Amino acid sequence: QKEVEQNSGPLSVPEGAIASLNCTYSDRGSQSFFWYRQYSGKSPELIMFIYSNGDKEDGRFTAQLNKASQYVSLLIRDSQPSDSATYLCAATTGGFKTIFGAGTRLFV
Amino acid sequence: NAGVTQTPKFRILKIGQSMTLQCAQDMNHNYMYWYRQDPGMGLKLIYYSVGAGITDKGEVPNGYNVSRSTTEDFPLRLELAAPSQTSVYFCASSPLYEQFFGPGTRLTVL
Repeated sequence: QKEVEQNSGPLSVPEGAIASLNCTYSDRGSQSFFWYRQYSGKSPELIMFIYSNGDKEDGRFTAQLNKASQYVSLLIRDSQPSDSATYLCAATTGGFKTIFGAGTRLFV
Repeated sequence: NAGVTQTPKFRILKIGQSMTLQCAQDMNHNYMYWYRQDPGMGLKLIYYSVGAGITDKGEVPNGYNVSRSTTEDFPLRLELAAPSQTSVYFCASSPLYEQFFGPGTRLTVL
């Protein structure tokens, strides 16, 4: 069973701090990785994607990928109350299918 | 662009009833997906499609059926509804890997 694992949280950080969200995946064949943000009662929205090992930055968000360790992370700098949401990690598997983690709840 | 639209927003079914959840997208995406999300859980893939006329099962297909006769539409059919199908259903479309989600349908089976 291919899986994406996340700590369900909740993760609580003070305003202005860095929030660090982590995820591991089981399928070594996964090529693409995504972070979605989901506000309560709303649908997920894509905030970051990463394909290559290393870091990818977009504004206050940085995604990090380590394929050898099968580990993906998301850093949110200068956290704001509006960042309070559930963050879903996802990985492609078996072609165009995507496996989602259960999500980490973040409170700022 | 309306993006991905889903109807209805809410529905209550009795056990054994059937219904179709509608999903449409106007972004000309080839790939479309149906997920269910139970409270406090992530998204479970029910069915997906890589183009008109092509569909395949995801992780939890039992009790559901899909069809894809056009690029735009991807309806999900529930036959013989059961309480275990109480969930929020999301449809998504994708140009390749990044997915765009509809607003969801909240379904309760009593």
